[in-house]
Amino acid sequence: KAGVTQTPRYLIKTRGQQVTLSCSPISGHRSVSWYQQTPGQGLQFLFEYFSETQRNKGNFPGRFSGRQFSNSRSEMNVSTLELGDSALYLCASVYEQYFGPGTRLTVT
Amino acid sequence: AQKVTQAQTEISVVEKEDVTLDCVYETRDTTYYLFWYKQPPSGELVFLIRRNSFDEQNEISGRYSWNFQKSTSSFNFTITASQVVDSAVYFCALRPGTASKLTFGTGTRLQVTL
Repeated sequence: KAGVTQTPRYLIKTRGQQVTLSCSPISGHRSVSWYQQTPGQGLQFLFEYFSETQRNKGNFPGRFSGRQFSNSRSEMNVSTLELGDSALYLCASVYEQYFGPGTRLTVT
Repeated sequence: AQKVTQAQTEISVVEKEDVTLDCVYETRDTTYYLFWYKQPPSGELVFLIRRNSFDEQNEISGRYSWNFQKSTSSFNFTITASQVVDSAVYFCALRPGTASKLTFGTGTRLQVTL
C-alpha cells in the first residue's frame, strides 16, 4: 500500500500570495488531518476532513482553508501569505497513525 | 482543554545507554488516546505507539518500551541500549476519544553519540 503523499515537498512564495498544498491519504482511507509545524508554536492542528466534510478546525485565521474530494485527496489553501506562515505542513491519515513527508513552505 | 508537557528539551546520551523520555498530559476526557512519534531530520512524523485510556498495560517493542500511568497522567517512553539511529526529536501527543485532533508536546530532542 502506498503511504500518505504530499505535494509539493518544497515551496517558496512571496508575502501576499496564496498557496495550495495537496495530500493524498492511504488508499481507501477517508480521513485526513492537517497540521502546521513551526519552531515557535510547535505542531498545531489545522483541520480534519472525513468523506468530504470538515469535522474539526483548529484555531487558525480564515486565511487557512481546506477541502476534500470524493477520492479522499485533500487540499489546503492559505491566502494572503504572511512571513509567519513559513512552516512544515503535515497531513495525516488513519487517525494520525500515518503522516506524510510534509510540505515545507517558505514565505519571503 | 488538553495539554501535553515534555519537560526535557534535549537529552544527550552515549550509545548503549538507556534513556527515558517523559510525557505528562492533562485532559478532562475519560476516553482519550496517547501517542508517541519520532521525527528524524527529514521531517516526517513516524508513528511509534498509540495507547487508549482504558489500557494501562505497559508495552514493549524491541528496544522500545512505554509506561502508561493514569494515576500520575504520564506516558513515558524508554529506549534501551540506545543507538545513533535513535537520534531524532520525539513527540508525545494526546487525542480525545471523540475527535481526530492531536495536541502535541513540544518534543524532546535526543542525541545519541558514539
